[in-house]
Amino acid sequence: GAVVSQHPSRVICKSGTSVKIECRSLDFQATTMFWYRQFPKQSLMLMATSNEGSKATYEQGVEKDKFLINHASLTLSTLTVTSAHPEDSSFYICSARSVGVNIHYFGAGTRLSVL
Amino acid sequence: SQKIEQNSEALNIQEGKTATLTCNYTNYSPAYLQWYRQDPGRGPVFLLLIRENEKEKRKERLKVTFDTTLKQSLFHITASQPADSATYLCALAYSSASKIIFGSGTRLSIRP
Repeated sequence: GAVVSQHPSRVICKSGTSVKIECRSLDFQATTMFWYRQFPKQSLMLMATSNEGSKATYEQGVEKDKFLINHASLTLSTLTVTSAHPEDSSFYICSARSVGVNIHYFGAGTRLSVL
Repeated sequence: SQKIEQNSEALNIQEGKTATLTCNYTNYSPAYLQWYRQDPGRGPVFLLLIRENEKEKRKERLKVTFDTTLKQSLFHITASQPADSATYLCALAYSSASKIIFGSGTRLSIRP
């Protein structure tokens, strides 16, 4: 199956710093990527839909200035958590959708801990 | 808005038995219904997709059914093994271009 690489897998940072997470589709082109957040024992919460070459579409309640998304190429999308605070600590997961069929291939996730 | 309910938060099954997980939804039927597996601390992994005009799909020990009248999908794992222990997520999509909506998942434990 298609492979999606997400990096880093874990990051610990101080409050107030910004953190960038990368999501790459390794063996296919992804015109659309998705960013999710997941709290312990809960399901995935969609944060935003990222389209190559255009602005991301954010879900209701997600601050676009807080979670900056860039999808500059067909294989790379980035999520930057700006001025991170402890309440931003969570598990962030990206997915990329294959063309034609709505199957999502997920990255391994990034565990963000903000001190 | 669409609601997705997965039958139980946790399910414990004896090894070798068939595990059956349920996914119910409200409102109108999706074009695609999917099942994913998620292990702790990892991203979900796609397992099976079934379209609204399909009744059943199989892949090795996995079987998915889709009943648009009952607004329900059943996910079966036959001859279950301890390695099948994970959280299983049901997801709906209304077109090939739409976002997908996830259920809250069922945590399956297979005991030896």
